[in-house]
Order: sequence, then structure tokens, then C-alpha cells
Amino acid sequence: QVTLRESGPALVKPTQTLTLTCTFSGFSLSTSGMCVSWIRQPPGKALEWLARIDWDDDKYYSTSLKTRLTISKDTSKNQVVLTMTNMDPVDTATYYCARMNAGGAREDYWGQGTLVTVSS
Amino acid sequence: DIQMTQSPSSLSASIGDRVTITCRASQSITTYLNWYQQKPGQAPKLLIYGASSLQSGVPSRFSGSGSGTDFTLTISSLQPEDFATYYCQQSYSTPRTFGQGTKVEIK
Repeated sequence: QVTLRESGPALVKPTQTLTLTCTFSGFSLSTSGMCVSWIRQPPGKALEWLARIDWDDDKYYSTSLKTRLTISKDTSKNQVVLTMTNMDPVDTATYYCARMNAGGAREDYWGQGTLVTVSS
Repeated sequence: DIQMTQSPSSLSASIGDRVTITCRASQSITTYLNWYQQKPGQAPKLLIYGASSLQSGVPSRFSGSGSGTDFTLTISSLQPEDFATYYCQQSYSTPRTFGQGTKVEIK
């Protein structure tokens, strides 16, 4: 079965760089059509799509955050890493990774999310 | 970026009610529209994809319709487990974008 799990620091200081890892099982990012997305949700607010990496290493980013985001994959480890630079308190949110099947154009499996708080 | 607007932002309904949530895109997205359900403390769950296709395991009381810019999620008979927040998402182009959510509460 498909599972995803996010990991990373629960607390980061302003201006620091956040590194989050999505570790997944049940599918391979070397399989044509497979993708992994990152989405975040500030407390009490709506979902915000951040980035996506595809099986062929194509990468896509949020327009407003693209200068701060980098997404990469390690196919052998079944992991996707998201880095976000220059963290600010407004970046406090639950960060989710999700699988997307390009053929279906939908995020069909999600991790449980990891809460990241930005505070000095 | 394509903007997604949901209405209403919240609604109160009773068990057994028919509930309709609307999502509008800022440009045509044909049928590249997904609906997610999110309960407090949980990750979003895919309900509907391609505007009207029911995700496996989702009860048939959920249905979706629409194309172009206007879409609807309908719950035919609201059940206790359906009280949650619902989000639409366009998958027509990247970056993907979500609506602001509709919270369905108990009347």
C-alpha cells in the first residue's frame, strides 16, 4: 500500500533554512507518471501548493515562493526533499507531502503532515 | 496563476440535508478539478477527481459536476462523518491552486 511520511524540525528560527524529507513506500519515483508534491497549511487557514517533482526530474514551484524553494529526489531511498530558505513566522504551517499520479492529475495519497513553527 | 474561489466559506446543515458547494476558476480548466475533504487534525482526503469521478472508497452520496469555470460538489444526504472542510483544487496547470475552503458545520 502507498504511504508517505514527512520528517524535519518542528522549530526553526527566522532567517534559517528549512529542510523537510518525504519518505514514501508503495510506489517508485522512477516509474513513469509518478510525482510527489508538497503542500502546506498555516493554522486555521487554507491549503497552499508549494512544489512538485516528477519521475523524469521535472520540477515545478509556487509562483510566489519559487525563489525560496528547492525540491529534489533520491529515487534509491524513496525520498523527496524540500528546502525553503529565509524562514519567517508567516511560514509556520503543517507541511504535507502527497503522491500525484500524472495520468490522474490528482494528489491521491497524503502523508499525515508535520507542523513547523518559525520562532526565535 | 489560476485563482479558485469557493462559496460559501461556511454553511450550517442538518443530518440528511442536501448540501451544495460551488467552486469557480478564474479561467477555463475544462474538467481538471479535484475535491478534497479535511477533518480537524487530519490530512486532506481526495473525494472527487476530474470534476465528477468518485475516488475509490468514497461514498456515493458525494458527487461532482461542472466544466470550464464553474463546478459543484454535492452531498446528497449529509451524514455525521461529513462535517469537515472541503477544498477544490485545479489540476489544469502548474502551479496547482486550491480554493479557500468551505466549512460544513452542524446546525
